[in-house]
Amino acid sequence: SQTIHQWPATLVQPVGSPLSLECTVEGTSNPNLYWYRQAAGRGLQLLFYSVGIGQISSEVPQNLSASRPQDRQFILSSKKLLLSDSGFYLCAWRVSGNTIYFGEGSWLTVV
Amino acid sequence: AQSVTQLGSHVSVSEGALVLLRCNYSSSVPPYLFWYVQYPNQGLQLLLKYTTGATLVKGINGFEAEFKKSETSFHLTKPSAHMSDAAEYFCAVSGDTGFQKLVFGTGTRLLVSP
Repeated sequence: SQTIHQWPATLVQPVGSPLSLECTVEGTSNPNLYWYRQAAGRGLQLLFYSVGIGQISSEVPQNLSASRPQDRQFILSSKKLLLSDSGFYLCAWRVSGNTIYFGEGSWLTVV
Repeated sequence: AQSVTQLGSHVSVSEGALVLLRCNYSSSVPPYLFWYVQYPNQGLQLLLKYTTGATLVKGINGFEAEFKKSETSFHLTKPSAHMSDAAEYFCAVSGDTGFQKLVFGTGTRLLVSP
């Protein structure tokens, strides 16, 4: 069966510091991968998605970037964090069909 | 383009009462519709989905939803609430003919009192 791992689970970072959140999917190949952000009272916002290695599409302009160095690895990064980057970040995947499955999420607090 | 509106950021029910969480969607193509549940500090778990076929969809934990095209609605119901149902619920729509991107509503927090 397929599983998705996301880490770290929680992170407290100062303003201006870098960020790296990592997501790995196991038990499948060539998944579509997604990064969502959940801010309080705003639902879930799609940040990036990827259909393959090195292929990244950005949904909204922002202080973040994403990379897919391997088929089942998806990384969310920032060079300099802003206070507004705080939130709950969710990695998700899809192989076939219509359903997208989510990881457990990472809490980021920028102080 | 797709969008989702969830009416009511908070819904309170008593244990054993009917649960009704409302979701209306907008889509320029035939929609795929989803309900996800999120327990505190956890990711999202799929409750149920509508793609094609039967408009009444049954999901996990006794939840069901009915797709009503004429009303552009996909409301979530459960006949009898349990304390363990307390969580945040998200309605989502997808309808791209190509790459699947989910568009979420802002969520409804369900509170269950004894």
